[in-house]
Amino acid sequence: NAGVMQNPRHLVRRRGQEARLRCSPMKGHSHVYWYRQLPEEGLKFMVYLQKENIIDESGMPKERFSAEFPKEGPSILRIQQVVRGDSAAYFCASSPGSTGSDQPQHFGDGTRLSIL
Amino acid sequence: SQKIEQNSEALNIQEGKTATLTCNYTNYSPAYLQWYRQDPGRGPVFLLLIRENEKEKRKERLKVTFDTTLKQSLFHITASQPADSATYLCAPMNTGFQKLVFGTGTRLLVSP
Repeated sequence: NAGVMQNPRHLVRRRGQEARLRCSPMKGHSHVYWYRQLPEEGLKFMVYLQKENIIDESGMPKERFSAEFPKEGPSILRIQQVVRGDSAAYFCASSPGSTGSDQPQHFGDGTRLSIL
Repeated sequence: SQKIEQNSEALNIQEGKTATLTCNYTNYSPAYLQWYRQDPGRGPVFLLLIRENEKEKRKERLKVTFDTTLKQSLFHITASQPADSATYLCAPMNTGFQKLVFGTGTRLLVSP
């Protein structure tokens, strides 16, 4: 299966700890997107990355959140000093990104983050 | 501000009927619009993309229309089946913008 892989599927953290969410895009895809889905709310864009570059981080909270997509390895969404309000499902998507902005995005099944 | 509205109430229909879901948008001039399906506990799955110069697009039992004057897209599932039960999301997109901005989604329930 060459789909978008996210891990872990479930992550439990205590307030103040760090959460690291990983995303391996589909083979051949160089564009990665992160979205957050809060309970009973819609999917909200967080950040768009290409290899080694952040292209659009307009949806990222200003503090505690960071994302990277290194030359080698998966994309990482990092949340420092987690708070209860960070509890949500975090989805990663990827696209080839090579032929224009109307490419469908392929989503992983998300990481469900719970903060105790 | 930009707004995307989908039926907030769940849509309940009987198997075999046609389901019609609505996506209205304001303060957008989308070059194209995408529809996704999301099942509980899963990520969205791409279904169809329609461009502003296309009035209608079909794929098997699915049909999407795009009316840039009314600022509306309609999503139809003909001969609906219980397996079509899911939440359906629309995402109008402007040219050059890579991020998806989703509506809140409409939950469809198809009863046998």
